[in-house]
Amino acid sequence: KQEVTQIPAALSVPEGENLVLNCSFTDSAIYNLQWFRQDPGKGLTSLLLIQSSQREQTSGRLNASLDKSSGRSTLYIAASQPGDSATYLCAVTSGTASKLTFGTGTRLQVTL
Amino acid sequence: EAQVTQNPRYLITVTGKKLTVTCSQNMNHEYMSWYRQDPGLGLRQIYYSMNVEATDKGDVPEGYKVSRKEKRNFPLILESPSPNQTSLYFCASSFTRASYNEQFFGPGTRLTVL
Repeated sequence: KQEVTQIPAALSVPEGENLVLNCSFTDSAIYNLQWFRQDPGKGLTSLLLIQSSQREQTSGRLNASLDKSSGRSTLYIAASQPGDSATYLCAVTSGTASKLTFGTGTRLQVTL
Repeated sequence: EAQVTQNPRYLITVTGKKLTVTCSQNMNHEYMSWYRQDPGLGLRQIYYSMNVEATDKGDVPEGYKVSRKEKRNFPLILESPSPNQTSLYFCASSFTRASYNEQFFGPGTRLTVL
């Protein structure tokens, strides 16, 4: 059974810092890995999707890497801003049913 | 605009009163699914559907039903809601091809069962 873990559970950084969020998964037989952002009480916004054959994806200040063999992914946020404050969720697609398995998220707060 | 919509967004009900949460997508996606999100447990899949008339159980299907009569709609039915079904519910959709699918989520439905 696929399990996804995110560390740390919460993180507070001052504005302007670069930061890294970590995600690990137990079964390396994945189709892809997706990073989401969730604002309090809101839905999920897809940030980046990395196919199993890819090593990284970039979008603006965000860069996500994937090391499938070791079951790890990182989300790098450059020059953090208060608007980046949210919960970041990592999810992997695996199995015959294209099932997404989520981690419990990292709650990020960027302070002024 | 490509989107997944859910209704209602908020619902307070009482134990045993049947309810339906609707989900609709306008992206011609084959795959649709329902998740519930609970503190400390993350998002867990309830049911999924690979296409019309093809549904299957996820990790936590007890107490829920679904149907997929049309490609765009995937309603979640609680025949006899109980307080342990109080949760935040999300509908999601994607193309079926797992290698390429990016899943799109609806805005969520916050359900309280008294």
